[in-house]
Amino acid sequence: DAGVIQSPRHEVTEMGQEVTLRCKPISGHNSLFWYRQTMMRGLELLIYFNNNVPIDDSGMPEDRFSAKMPNASFSTLKIQPSEPRDSAVYFCASSSLDNQPQHFGDGTRLSIL
Amino acid sequence: KNEVEQSPQNLTAQEGEFITINCSYSVGISALHWLQQHPGGGIVSLFMLSSGKKKHGRLIATINIQEKHSSLHITASHPRDSAVYICAVTGNQFYFGTGTSLTVIP
Repeated sequence: DAGVIQSPRHEVTEMGQEVTLRCKPISGHNSLFWYRQTMMRGLELLIYFNNNVPIDDSGMPEDRFSAKMPNASFSTLKIQPSEPRDSAVYFCASSSLDNQPQHFGDGTRLSIL
Repeated sequence: KNEVEQSPQNLTAQEGEFITINCSYSVGISALHWLQQHPGGGIVSLFMLSSGKKKHGRLIATINIQEKHSSLHITASHPRDSAVYICAVTGNQFYFGTGTSLTVIP
């Protein structure tokens, strides 16, 4: 049974470049979450979707960040333009409902030079 | 002030010891989560609680809604329990504790 799949696992790019992180939730899960983890701030919720609709994006740091969920099996988190302070591990998680236990992907380790 | 406070921040125990990690929160919640993050970085959801107590193997989680407090207990600790344990609460927003780093020594 496949878990939450994130890609890429690692991304290194220069500041100013566009970065796209991808997530495939567990089949049948209706809620999808994007998190960011840094040493300074710990784990933070960026945005979550229910049934492909963004419910709470108050954690999205600024307009450079955008997230989409065009269908139930795919979501993207885009940063444009990227900055060094965006360097972090980005996790995607899914659950059957937003108040059910979440299953996490392995994360994308992003480094902006 | 953080909405979620965990204690201790760091904990070292001998194999076999009984371990308790505490979490206090200051906001209204619909659920409390305990997450485990291994040194490799992967995150696993251990428990989701809205009342009472849950048990899974050697792990027990309790919550007291009136006192806004939860505890995670590990019985007969083992080196493979070494990880960071994160408390998170969901209500109007999501709030995370800063984590408790546990090291279990053989």
